[in-house]
Amino acid sequence: GQQVMQIPQYQHVQEGEDFTTYCNSSTTLSNIQWYKQRPGGHPVFLIQLVKSGEVKKQKRLTFQFGEAKKNSSLHITATQTTDVGTYFCAGSNQFYFGTGTSLTVIP
Amino acid sequence: NAGVTQTPKFQVLKTGQSMTLQCAQDMNHEYMSWYRQDPGMGLRLIHYSVGAGITDQGEVPNGYNVSRSTTEDFPLRLLSAAPSQTSVYFCASSSSRISGYTFGSGTRLTVV
Repeated sequence: GQQVMQIPQYQHVQEGEDFTTYCNSSTTLSNIQWYKQRPGGHPVFLIQLVKSGEVKKQKRLTFQFGEAKKNSSLHITATQTTDVGTYFCAGSNQFYFGTGTSLTVIP
Repeated sequence: NAGVTQTPKFQVLKTGQSMTLQCAQDMNHEYMSWYRQDPGMGLRLIHYSVGAGITDQGEVPNGYNVSRSTTEDFPLRLLSAAPSQTSVYFCASSSSRISGYTFGSGTRLTVV
């Protein structure tokens, strides 16, 4: 079943505020992937993290893999309305996804 | 354009009817999977395949069948549709277990 838990389930932020979502696993993960799904759309692959403590950036998005490889985070700096959507993580067994965090950005 | 193609995009079924959701990919990906997405439930795995001729059950397989006779195609069959199967269905493919998944645009199914 599910390997990773995501928190929070929902997040509302004012445009310009920062946003963070977390994935947590009870077991060590070999890698973790992040996806974004826009409202009415399909999930789109964003990035994969493999190394302990790895940090990757995509413009305003920062992805981090924990030192113990049991947790990961996605941080968005200065949110924009284009960031609206649901963000999913997927653990080592990539067939299973976390429950997702739905982000609403209030203009 | 290369990718995952799902048909149909929308479907309404009556309870008890059967149908097949089609999924095809042209990227020569070995891994394919089917998910259903319900409000607040995330992506739940129905069935998956790691190659032609190999399929296995996910977390919510009841009421669904799959087969994988070719690398390209991975159809999902609803045997006897029930209102509980009203959902959005996504097909996805990947070149390996550790590669990112490419998703199709989804099929919105309503069972009345």
